[in-house]
Parts: sequence; structure tokens; C-alpha cells
Amino acid sequence: AQTVTQSQPEMSVQEAETVTLSCTYDTSESDYYLFWYKQPPSRQMILVIRQEAYKQQNATENRFSVNFQKAAKSFSLKISDSQLGDAAMYFCAYRSEGGGADGLTFGKGTHLIIQP
Amino acid sequence: DAGVTQSPTHLIKTRGQQVTLRCSPKSGHDTVSWYQQALGQGPQFIFQYYEEEERQRGNFPDRFSGHQFPNYSSELNVNALLLGDSALYLCASSLYWGANYGYTFGSGTRLTVV
Repeated sequence: AQTVTQSQPEMSVQEAETVTLSCTYDTSESDYYLFWYKQPPSRQMILVIRQEAYKQQNATENRFSVNFQKAAKSFSLKISDSQLGDAAMYFCAYRSEGGGADGLTFGKGTHLIIQP
Repeated sequence: DAGVTQSPTHLIKTRGQQVTLRCSPKSGHDTVSWYQQALGQGPQFIFQYYEEEERQRGNFPDRFSGHQFPNYSSELNVNALLLGDSALYLCASSLYWGANYGYTFGSGTRLTVV
């Protein structure tokens, strides 16, 4: 079974600064997908960014980018120019490539605080 | 475009009772997954429904069951409630053959068992 570990229960960053959230995972599979989800107080999980394991190029979505290190099984999220609206719980998630039925395996999350 | 709708938003039940939670997927999606999120934890996969059948199940007992209707909406049923079943229950929808593009989540149902 796959596991996802987020070693930072809480992170704090000044508004407009850059912050990096860490995620490591354990798997014996070679093809899979990785996601970062944001969960604000409204409770709805919002997809931030996704990465296919077979792609070497790191995914980028506006101010959000990832550092995907497949050999190290590491998938960190960098948020540039942090904004107050970025404050939320952030979850790293893994999904097997095996087909439509597989669910997501989540880490325990990192609480991101944005200091004004 | 309506996203994922879950009802009710909050629910309080007594130990031993049964509960039914409901989910309407995002328009165009055909697959519904259910997750349990305990306080301070990440969501855990319960099961997934596609074409009205349970396709995959996580490590949850048979007290947890579900159903998917022809309009793709879904129900999660939990029997013989335990205090430990208190959690946020999240529904996520996707396309069965496009799930790698991500899932759309609802805002969840907060279940409290007393």
C-alpha cells in the first residue's frame, strides 16, 4: 500500500514571500499521479496542482509550482508571492495509474498561515 | 455549473443508529468517491461507485455501504454508528476514465456521533 507523509504540521510565511511545503511518498509503482489539494475553512478540497510521474518537467500553475524528485519520492509545493487567501490546510495526495477505480491516498496535511 | 453538492451539511446521531449521506456529482461526471476525514487528519478513501457498482473499497468495515443511482448521484450509509465514526465525510466526483485530471470535492457532511 502507498503512504504519503507530510512532515510539517504547520508553516508560517509573510505575505508576498515564498514558502515550500514538503511531501514524501512510498510506492513500488512506476506510474502514478501526485496532487496538491487546498482545504480552506469552507472544508471543500480544491485542486491546486497535479503531476504525472512519467513527466520529468515540474508542473506549474501561476504562483504554484512543484519540485518532483521521482528517485527520492519527493513532491514539494512552492507558493510564490503568498497571499492572505492562500491560508488553508494543504494536502498532498497520491493516485495509482492503474485505472479509473483507484482512490486518492492523502497525507495528514500542513496548516499554512499567512502573516500580513 | 454546479459543483458537487452534499447533504446534509451537519448531522448529529446517537451510537447504534444508522445514517444516510447524499451526494450529487458535478455535471458531466460519472463517478463518485467517498472519503472520511477525522479531525486533524487527511481524508481516507472509503469506496468508489461507477455505473451503479462499487468499484474499489478502502479499509472500512461492512457497516459502510453505498449506492449510486442512474443519475450518478450517490448515498453513503453507515450502520451501527460508533463514536469513532464522527468525522467530516467528503464526496468527490470525477470522470472514470479521466480521474487522473483530479477530482471535484464537495464541502462535506459533518457527522457527530454522541
